[in-house]
Amino acid sequence: RKEVEQDPGPFNVPEGATVAFNCTYSNSASQSFFWYRQDCRKEPKLLMSVYSSGNEDGRFTAQLNRASQYISLLIRDSKLSDSATYLCAVTLYSGGGADGLTFGKGTHLIIQP
Amino acid sequence: DAGVTQSPTHLIKTRGQQVTLRCSPKSGHDTVSWYQQALGQGPQFIFQYYEEEERQRGNFPDRFSGHQFPNYSSELNVNALLLGDSALYLCASSSGQGTFYYEQYFGPGTRLTVT
Repeated sequence: RKEVEQDPGPFNVPEGATVAFNCTYSNSASQSFFWYRQDCRKEPKLLMSVYSSGNEDGRFTAQLNRASQYISLLIRDSKLSDSATYLCAVTLYSGGGADGLTFGKGTHLIIQP
Repeated sequence: DAGVTQSPTHLIKTRGQQVTLRCSPKSGHDTVSWYQQALGQGPQFIFQYYEEEERQRGNFPDRFSGHQFPNYSSELNVNALLLGDSALYLCASSSGQGTFYYEQYFGPGTRLTVT
């Protein structure tokens, strides 16, 4: 089983719709969770850290389910500019600092006009 | 406030050669991590540097080595290049060793092509 798994998509979604995708992780000791957005041939940009209580930033909501070992990202009122690949990342915390990030392969989202 | 910078942006090398990539972290950050991203894949962790030492290493061969300087900038060296080393090499910086939520910010990457 891969450490971090995501549905690669593509998810084709009409503009204005709500879209959600999940990411599962295998290491139950994982302690920090993140969503990154990556545009074609660009670097990943941090979208959100995912806190245990869940968190929201504008149209974006992230949730963590430790029992089932997944994180989710919900995008409301989707815009054309939301078209991108969404990467989830997890990490452990050891020796006084967080370890390197383990990424999924990403979910490709296409918002259609 | 300058973000993470990397150089060069693109590089073409021949099999067997050696390459050095450079990274300057975001102002105020003291930790640098390097990742390799092949086409269609998520970034894979190579190693992380903190206080000029390799703090953690991913599953990469010894051909991949690095260094961190007193000003926190870092280099990634790859020896005996293989065709499979062709990828986007990303540097990420962060701060707050001892901070639980430890956010990494990526530079624009160096696209390496090995022919």
